[in-house]
Amino acid sequence: NAGVTQTPKFQVLKTGQSMTLQCAQDMNHEYMSWYRQDPGMGLRLIHYSVGAGITDQGEVPNGYNVSRSTTEDFPLRLLSAAPSQTSVYFCASSYSGATKEQYFGPGTRLTVT
Amino acid sequence: DAKTTQPPSMDCAEGRAANLPCNHSTISGNEYVYWYRQIHSQGPQYIIHGLKNNETNEMASLIITEDRKSSTLILPHATLRDTAVYYCIVVRTGANSKLTFGKGITLSVRP
Repeated sequence: NAGVTQTPKFQVLKTGQSMTLQCAQDMNHEYMSWYRQDPGMGLRLIHYSVGAGITDQGEVPNGYNVSRSTTEDFPLRLLSAAPSQTSVYFCASSYSGATKEQYFGPGTRLTVT
Repeated sequence: DAKTTQPPSMDCAEGRAANLPCNHSTISGNEYVYWYRQIHSQGPQYIIHGLKNNETNEMASLIITEDRKSSTLILPHATLRDTAVYYCIVVRTGANSKLTFGKGITLSVRP
């Protein structure tokens, strides 16, 4: 199993550009989530999904969209990048919900200039 | 979800036990205590979790006080590779449960 994979590993955007961070898992997990981590801080939940076709907002959803058309994939879209979105983004998955062990991807380092 | 309080940092000698404390005085009966760790810039890694009984796995032991208001993560024989930020998180059961990360405790294992 590859586990949770994220692409790209690094990305530089200009203010106003849009892009999609990819996340995929091959463990048939129902629950997937996106977090961002700013320097010296803990992770903050952006969006999560309890299954295909179902998404919900986390703590910091503004400026981000998600969709879950398949069990395996959970892309995160930045609609119009801003410098405040410079961060490291982690995707995670678990069998069902946060009360099961969550597996995290290696992260995407995003810089918005 | 109940909030947790952890000291910002601690250190221990390699080979010794590392005891990482966590306070969660407002925890509810349906909330679990989870521990994750994050080794420099990597994605967090699950360590252990418990409800009210003490738990042990190949990585660590989790001791939860009888009133459930605090817990201790024990790494029995710390190695240099255990140097990381350790997060104590309280999670409510349910389909829409979420992990809420604080700043965690930075454990430095010295040779």
